[in-house]
Amino acid sequence: AQRVTQPEKLLSVFKGAPVELKCNYSYSGSPELFWYVQYSRQRLQLLLRHISRESIKGFTADLNKGETSFHLKKPFAQEEDSAMYYCALARTGANNLFFGTGTRLTVIP
Amino acid sequence: KAGVTQTPRYLIKTRGQQVTLSCSPISGHRSVSWYQQTPGQGLQFLFEYFSETQRNKGNFPGRFSGRQFSNSRSEMNVSTLELGDSALYLCASSPGQGSYGYTFGSGTRLTVV
Repeated sequence: AQRVTQPEKLLSVFKGAPVELKCNYSYSGSPELFWYVQYSRQRLQLLLRHISRESIKGFTADLNKGETSFHLKKPFAQEEDSAMYYCALARTGANNLFFGTGTRLTVIP
Repeated sequence: KAGVTQTPRYLIKTRGQQVTLSCSPISGHRSVSWYQQTPGQGLQFLFEYFSETQRNKGNFPGRFSGRQFSNSRSEMNVSTLELGDSALYLCASSPGQGSYGYTFGSGTRLTVV
């Protein structure tokens, strides 16, 4: 079975401070991992996916298979980063996503 | 190009009724998935369709069903509504197999009274 865990429901950081949103997963195969973000009154949107190894809006995430983690990081938080962040996993060859419960990030000015 | 369009945006139904929600994917996208979002359970996968065939199904009762048409548009139906079915129902589309990630619609907010 697969499971995605986001241990923090709420996270507050000051503007300009580093931010790390934690995501751990359990899955016996090779997962595809994603971070989705939902800004206030907007739809859920893809932030980044591990396979593309890209950086979006200054966020990066590295897949650590040894620790089964896919933490989202940004060196300097901005107020516009305040949002709900979801980590999600897709099983090998499958297209459906398993979501974590989400972390609400608040960046304090 | 146009995003994922879900209609209607809001629905109020009474217990025991049935409801049909509609989703138009991004042009060219052949995979459509449905998710239920509630404060208590978060985002849960309902089912996925690809080329009019259901490929995956989540752990929901048979009252929840769906279908996909030849133009990739999809509908989901919930019969014999229960209060617990009140949720935001999200549709998402992707080109097909692979790690593309999904593009989500704004959702349909269903309230069962």
